[in-house]
Amino acid sequence: EDKVVQSPLSLVVHEGDTVTLNCSYEVTNFRSLLWYKQEKKAPTFLFMLTSSGIEKKSGRLSSILDKKELFSILNITATQTGDSAVYLCAALQYSGGGADGLTFGKGTHLIIQP
Amino acid sequence: NAGVTQTPKFRILKIGQSMTLQCTQDMNHNYMYWYRQDPGMGLKLIYYSVGAGITDKGEVPNGYNVSRSTTEDFPLRLELAAPSQTSVYFCATRTAGGEKLFFGSGTQLSVL
Repeated sequence: EDKVVQSPLSLVVHEGDTVTLNCSYEVTNFRSLLWYKQEKKAPTFLFMLTSSGIEKKSGRLSSILDKKELFSILNITATQTGDSAVYLCAALQYSGGGADGLTFGKGTHLIIQP
Repeated sequence: NAGVTQTPKFRILKIGQSMTLQCTQDMNHNYMYWYRQDPGMGLKLIYYSVGAGITDKGEVPNGYNVSRSTTEDFPLRLELAAPSQTSVYFCATRTAGGEKLFFGSGTQLSVL
């Protein structure tokens, strides 16, 4: 069974701290690993990672993929209260017969305290 | 530029009632998806479609039906609502060769 496991499930830190969110995956026909940020409503796209060892960066957020060990991490430095959200990790698969599917993890609920 | 539009945003149903969640997109994407998200859980795929006239079951299709008569619209039908269908429903789209999902704003459904 395809699965994506995120840890921790919840995390409370103080503003200014650095956090690392983890995502491990076991899926067939792996294609890419995606990170989303979900506040009140729909998930918004952060990163897509396809190749191992290449760090993606966007401001204070960065992410890297290890296809040998089947995991990815999302780092957030100098956290701000606006970073409070649920962070979702998803593995995108190739599918021979139909649409490529995404398998989502349960998410990490990150709370940044002032 | 509307993107992916879902209606309604909120709905309360009684057990046994039926309803249709609407999803329309103006991005001309081939692939469309319906997910549900329960509290503390990730998104579970209900149904998907690779193009007009083609639909297929996802991980949790029981109790739901879909149709795809046009590229733009992908409605999700609940025939006999049950409390287990209380959830937030997201519609999403993607291009055939793309990897990034574009989500609608969600429909919060309660079945009482």
